[in-house]
Amino acid sequence: EVHLVESGGGLIQSGGSLRLSCAASGFSVSDNYMIWARQAPGKGLEWVSVIYPVGNTYYADSVQGRFTISRDNSKNTLYLQMNGLRAEDTAIYYCARAVWLVNGLDPWGPGTLVTVSS
Amino acid sequence: IQLTQSPSLLSAFVGDRVTITCRASQGIRSHLAWYQQRPGKAPKLLIYAASTLQSGVPSRFRGSGFGTEFTLTISSLQPEDFATYYCQQLNIYPYIFAQGTKLEAK
Repeated sequence: EVHLVESGGGLIQSGGSLRLSCAASGFSVSDNYMIWARQAPGKGLEWVSVIYPVGNTYYADSVQGRFTISRDNSKNTLYLQMNGLRAEDTAIYYCARAVWLVNGLDPWGPGTLVTVSS
Repeated sequence: IQLTQSPSLLSAFVGDRVTITCRASQGIRSHLAWYQQRPGKAPKLLIYAASTLQSGVPSRFRGSGFGTEFTLTISSLQPEDFATYYCQQLNIYPYIFAQGTKLEAK
């Protein structure tokens, strides 16, 4: 069964750093498009970052230069390193997979909450 | 690319047929997905490639469209369908989501 679980969220002060992890099972993160998305409290979904199977990475303007997406193929885990955190980064962070981007994101993990205090 | 979803809020009865529209500011071929999100849960993929039903999703959900205009239709609303729905374009980075449609029971 294909499964994703995020971890690493928590309460952090503004300006601090946090690394989120997304453990995958049932497939290889290196063979798929892996995405981070987030959802601020009471708000809609926001796409954050993607890493392609070939290794290309892309970011939303709102996190460019502060967040870094990466993966560890030996641990079959996706990461999101978040530096220079701001109050507006407070959200539930989800990881998700796409076999091909046109196929949409499935599955999604249950999410991990990041709260940035000012 | 901008994605505009309408309406933002939709009230309907069980058994109703409802339609949600998603418009892209430029052509995205058929590279559009629809998701359902229930409160406190992660999004769930319903439709991909504009009109392909994800495995396990009931056939009352139907997607259509190409280019810049897309629709999600639920043919006969069931109680479990009251949720928030999002479209997402997957044609070109950034792979943004629209602002969502909250479907509530009338």
